Amino acid sequence: DAGVIQSPRHEVTEMGQEVTLRCKPISGHDYLFWYRQTMMRGLELLIYFNNNVPIDDSGMPEDRFSAKMPNASFSTLKIQPSEPRDSAVYFCASSFISGLSPGEQFFGPGTRLTVL
Amino acid sequence: KNQVEQSPQSLIILEGKNCTLQCNYTVSPFSNLRWYKQDTGRGPVSLTIMTFSENTKSNGRYTATLDADTKQSSLHITASQLSDSASYICVVSGSVTDDYKLSFGAGTTVTVRA
Repeated sequence: DAGVIQSPRHEVTEMGQEVTLRCKPISGHDYLFWYRQTMMRGLELLIYFNNNVPIDDSGMPEDRFSAKMPNASFSTLKIQPSEPRDSAVYFCASSFISGLSPGEQFFGPGTRLTVL
Repeated sequence: KNQVEQSPQSLIILEGKNCTLQCNYTVSPFSNLRWYKQDTGRGPVSLTIMTFSENTKSNGRYTATLDADTKQSSLHITASQLSDSASYICVVSGSVTDDYKLSFGAGTTVTVRA
């Protein structure tokens, strides 16, 4: 398996523009997560899905952020309009829970977003 | 205040030496504790996951311990290698019903020198 795939790997945009980040989870995984990582705040969970349904979006910073998962193999994180403080590395991760054991999360390589 | 505190913030060790990283948490209730390794420019990789009933878990040269009574965990790296240079993140799940209600530590940056 190729692992979690994210695109683009790097994105540079200007303030006010719309940004769309994409993620393809590992086949067969039923959980998908979006994280943001900055030097100041570390790793933060933004939102996660179970079987394509958003379960917890309490980490989404504000209404400018939205995430969708139209099917089991694709998810997007959209920022509209983007602001310089959104500059960060955005990670997608997927997981599969079997029985009562907590699921190991597999992270993608991340998208480094720079908003000028 | 962060509910997961890691120490030290960074450390430098010589190749072949051992080191121990600390993680103290105040998250309650407690479900499980995870250690991740993150290489520069890469996504985090899971090293260990421990539930409240587990005291120790190993993954190669990495050994994690958990004391749920004192709410402390440690990650011990044995016979360090240059490839161990990375950030190590402690993550605690604070819900028995929502496994992904996670609290993150700020990480410990380990530099291994030849």
